[in-house]
Amino acid sequence: RKEVEQDPGPFNVPEGATVAFNCTYSNSASQSFFWYRQDCRKEPKLLMSVYSSGNEDGRFTAQLNRASQYISLLIRDSKLSDSATYLCVVKTGGFKTIFGAGTRLFVKA
Amino acid sequence: NAGVTQTPKFQVLKTGQSMTLQCAQDMNHEYMSWYRQDPGMGLRLIHYSVGAGITDQGEVPNGYNVSRSTTEDFPLRLLSAAPSQTSVYFCASSSRLATGEQFFGPGTRLTVL
Repeated sequence: RKEVEQDPGPFNVPEGATVAFNCTYSNSASQSFFWYRQDCRKEPKLLMSVYSSGNEDGRFTAQLNRASQYISLLIRDSKLSDSATYLCVVKTGGFKTIFGAGTRLFVKA
Repeated sequence: NAGVTQTPKFQVLKTGQSMTLQCAQDMNHEYMSWYRQDPGMGLRLIHYSVGAGITDQGEVPNGYNVSRSTTEDFPLRLLSAAPSQTSVYFCASSSRLATGEQFFGPGTRLTVL
């Protein structure tokens, strides 16, 4: 079983739609959680950190459920520019950082 | 402020050849890492460094060497290239105060024939 699992998609949604991605992790000792965004043939970039209380950044909302060991990302009012691969990232103690394989999103006009 | 730079962008090697992938950062970050990204898999950590003179192995270190003589530079050496090392390689850096936020270079696309 992978340490961090994501639905690979692709998710195909129209502009203006709301879309949600989930990610599960296996290590209950995981400490920090993040969503990264990766455009086609580009490097990953931090989208947002994920806090236990949930957090929002504009149209993006991230949630963490420690009991069930999953993280979610909600994108509201999808834009064409949101088309990318979204990587779930989990950090355990020390330097160990595990990246999920990513969920591909296509937003269409 | 260039951030994290990597050279070369593309490279084709024959099996058995050696080469060095270069990585440099100008943000004075203590932590630097090398990852490889293969289709259908997440980024996998090859080696990392928490400061000049200190390196450690990640998840997939075999066939690779690193050194960190300065804060800025973190080269990755392929000792004897194999087709299984065909991949996209990313270098990343982060501050010790915010290790979750990693800044990535643009990547090196390596093909081993």
